[in-house]
Amino acid sequence: GEDVEQSLFLSVREGDSSVINCTYTDSSSTYLYWYKQEPGAGLQLLTYIFSNMDMKQDQRLTVLLNKKDKHLSLRIADTQTGDSAIYFCAENVAAGNKLTFGGGTRVLVKP
Amino acid sequence: DVKVTQSSRYLVKRTGEKVFLECVQDMDHENMFWYRQDPGLGLRLIYFSYDVKMKEKGDIPEGYSVSREKKERFSLILESASTNQTSMYLCASSAQGLGQFFGPGTRLTVL
Repeated sequence: GEDVEQSLFLSVREGDSSVINCTYTDSSSTYLYWYKQEPGAGLQLLTYIFSNMDMKQDQRLTVLLNKKDKHLSLRIADTQTGDSAIYFCAENVAAGNKLTFGGGTRVLVKP
Repeated sequence: DVKVTQSSRYLVKRTGEKVFLECVQDMDHENMFWYRQDPGLGLRLIYFSYDVKMKEKGDIPEGYSVSREKKERFSLILESASTNQTSMYLCASSAQGLGQFFGPGTRLTVL
């Protein structure tokens, strides 16, 4: 079955690194995604990783994928107040790009 | 850049009214999706469509219908709005393997 889980909340100081974790259950996932949602807005696609990769880096963002443990993480370096948002991980397991989303992690960046 | 637009940011309707939520994308994507987002429940898929005139039920289709007469437009219809349909509605579109791109959302209140 499909199930994606994330912790609910993360608090971090400005300038520190944030690490948001996600676990998923379907080993047939082809792509895994990270989305960001700011208050009152839709979801913004931040980055994604193909399932045959271990790591992907994109500026301040680093995605790590451990397929054996079905664990995905998003690291944000030098976290800024503008990074305060809800972050969702999602997996793509079916044709047509249907996604299963985690419940979201609310990240609060303190000055 | 992909652009997904939704007809309204905020909408207030009365119980029993028929409600239309419109979504338009400009990237010729095959796939389109309607979600609702509620506190503590995350994103839940209502309906999706892989092609014009095609529709598939998501996880919570009850009380909703959809229409896809043109590739760029996907409409969500509440035949008779009820208070438990008060929610944030998010539309998304995708092509194969690129992740879903979301609109800004419509916050619907049913009185």
